[in-house]
Amino acid sequence: GDSVTQMEGPVTLSEEAFLTINCTYTATGYPSLFWYVQYPGEGLQLLLKATKADDKGSNKGFEATYRKETTSFHLEKGSVQVSDSAVYFCALSASNNDMRFGAGTRLTVKP
Amino acid sequence: EAGVAQSPRYKIIEKRQSVAFWCNPISGHATLYWYQQILGQGPKLLIQFQNNGVVDDSQLPKDRFSAERLKGVDSTLKIQPAKLEDSAVYLCASSNTGDWGYTFGSGTRLTVV
Repeated sequence: GDSVTQMEGPVTLSEEAFLTINCTYTATGYPSLFWYVQYPGEGLQLLLKATKADDKGSNKGFEATYRKETTSFHLEKGSVQVSDSAVYFCALSASNNDMRFGAGTRLTVKP
Repeated sequence: EAGVAQSPRYKIIEKRQSVAFWCNPISGHATLYWYQQILGQGPKLLIQFQNNGVVDDSQLPKDRFSAERLKGVDSTLKIQPAKLEDSAVYLCASSNTGDWGYTFGSGTRLTVV
């Protein structure tokens, strides 16, 4: 079935460092792809999305490009802040709007 | 707009007891989801409702879990009897037809001891 694999954490970076969190997917058809973020003690929030190949989703300085040829949707940010410390989930949604999540990657940014 | 409301926020019960969680989705959202998030894992879909009908409950352990969405608005998820491995955060989410991406509630953290 459809699934998402994302890089294992935890990831620890210094403030202003470059961030990449890898995500690859397996799906029949053409899913939509998402990144969700979960701050400590809070629910999941949609960070960005892309609904078709070559689309780039972006929000709050984060970006991810839907790469059909490599079945990937890697999350990037040029300069992370302490406030970006959270758990990041890659997800896909194919038919039926059923969302499948990766295991999550915990990011800690140190001042 | 108001978000997805869930209660209670935390619950501790003994194994073999029963427990119920409540969810109020965003007004007008036709689709409602219950997810189970075990510590260190991504959320796993338990059940999906479209209005008051079940669309997908293939991953719901029906011997102990049940859910309903009367009148197509609020929903309750029940576990009876609970097991230790049911300890998790139970997330409710809602979406509207044609929307991409859900809005999640803050979740209910269940601890079974």
